[in-house]
Amino acid sequence: GAVVSQHPSWVICKSGTSVKIECRSLDFQATTMFWYRQFPKQSLMLMATSNEGSKATYEQGVEKDKFLINHASLTLSTLTVTSAHPEDSSFYICSANTFSPRDNFPDEQYFGPGTRLTVT
Amino acid sequence: GDSVTQMEGPVTLSEEAFLTINCTYTATGYPSLFWYVQYPGEGLQLLLKATKADDKGSNKGFEATYRKETTSFHLEKGSVQVSDSAVYFCALSARGSTLGRLYFGRGTQLTVWP
Repeated sequence: GAVVSQHPSWVICKSGTSVKIECRSLDFQATTMFWYRQFPKQSLMLMATSNEGSKATYEQGVEKDKFLINHASLTLSTLTVTSAHPEDSSFYICSANTFSPRDNFPDEQYFGPGTRLTVT
Repeated sequence: GDSVTQMEGPVTLSEEAFLTINCTYTATGYPSLFWYVQYPGEGLQLLLKATKADDKGSNKGFEATYRKETTSFHLEKGSVQVSDSAVYFCALSARGSTLGRLYFGRGTQLTVWP
């Protein structure tokens, strides 16, 4: 199956600094990627939809200036947490769809392994 | 709007017990339905899926049937193993959606004791 990677797998940073998380589709092209945030023992919260070559679409309540998303190529999307604070500590997960060759609609969604961010 | 309601956990079972995790959905049209599994510290893996009514998805001994009349997609396994301990998420995707956005349930923590 398709593979999505994330880097780094974990990161610790100091309050006030910025952190960049990369999401790559390794063996397929992804015009759309999704960024989720997951709190301990909770479900995934969709933060934004990342579109290659255009601006990301943010969910209500997600600060776009805080969580910068750049989808620079068909295989790479990045999430930058700017001026991170302890409340930004979380597990961040990205995903990407493959598309059915039959009808060009999304087929399966593949998830990265996640990035554990800890802000001290 | 589209949503998924999933049985709350945690669920604790002994090895070889029967597992059911309930999932119901609300959607316009006929969505595709999924079960994902998340092992500790990892991302989500697709466990099984069904794309139309009466389809049965199955994988690794797990099964779920797409029931349009009850808007349900309950996950079952006849005999669980310790290695099945994980969090299970039910999800739906609107059919024909060009983006493929997934709507997730809250997740159900399953712990299997030897």
